[in-house]
Amino acid sequence: DTGVSQDPRHKITKRGQNVTFRCDPISEHNRLYWYRQTLGQGPEFLTYFQNEAQLEKSRLLSDRFSAERPKGSFSTLEIQRTEQGDSAMYLCASSLSSGFYTGELFFGEGSRLTVL
Amino acid sequence: EDKVVQSPLSLVVHEGDTVTLNCSYEVTNFRSLLWYKQEKKAPTFLFMLTSSGIEKKSGRLSSILDKKELFSILNITATQTGDSAVYLCAVERAGGTSYGKLTFGQGTILTVHP
Repeated sequence: DTGVSQDPRHKITKRGQNVTFRCDPISEHNRLYWYRQTLGQGPEFLTYFQNEAQLEKSRLLSDRFSAERPKGSFSTLEIQRTEQGDSAMYLCASSLSSGFYTGELFFGEGSRLTVL
Repeated sequence: EDKVVQSPLSLVVHEGDTVTLNCSYEVTNFRSLLWYKQEKKAPTFLFMLTSSGIEKKSGRLSSILDKKELFSILNITATQTGDSAVYLCAVERAGGTSYGKLTFGQGTILTVHP
């Protein structure tokens, strides 16, 4: 399968613990995005990368959240000192670069975080 | 802040019915409006609309944009049970590197009964 893959698919943690999610985009895509989705809501933008450069981070995102894409391939999203409000589905997506962008983001199946 | 409002929030129909899903938006420096379908986990792309009045069509699905009224509709004709999903509307700003940074609406939950 050559789609976007995310790991782990489900993570249960206790409040105050750190968690890390990994995303492997489609190989020829140099754009990578992180979104968060809570029950009954649409996805909410968190951050995005062009190759290894992080272009923007949502103002809604606290400094407990950090994302990296060290070699312009896979990305990690780390949440430090988790809170119950962090419980959500974390979606990763990738796309082609500007000259070939068609509006289509290719989403992974998400990493569901449950904070107890 | 950009804003997307979808209606209805949920809709229950029978196979063969035609449905119309609505999306209104407010966005600074509009680039495009997009529709996605979310069945289980991953949203999948349906349409990108950039110009008013030009209908995009794919099989039984079609969509149109009105940039004056800041509105879009998604039509599904002859619905099938496989159309049951959450339909998400999103907007995108123009300019620089902001493509792919989407503001989504809450979604419309469509349930199609046999």
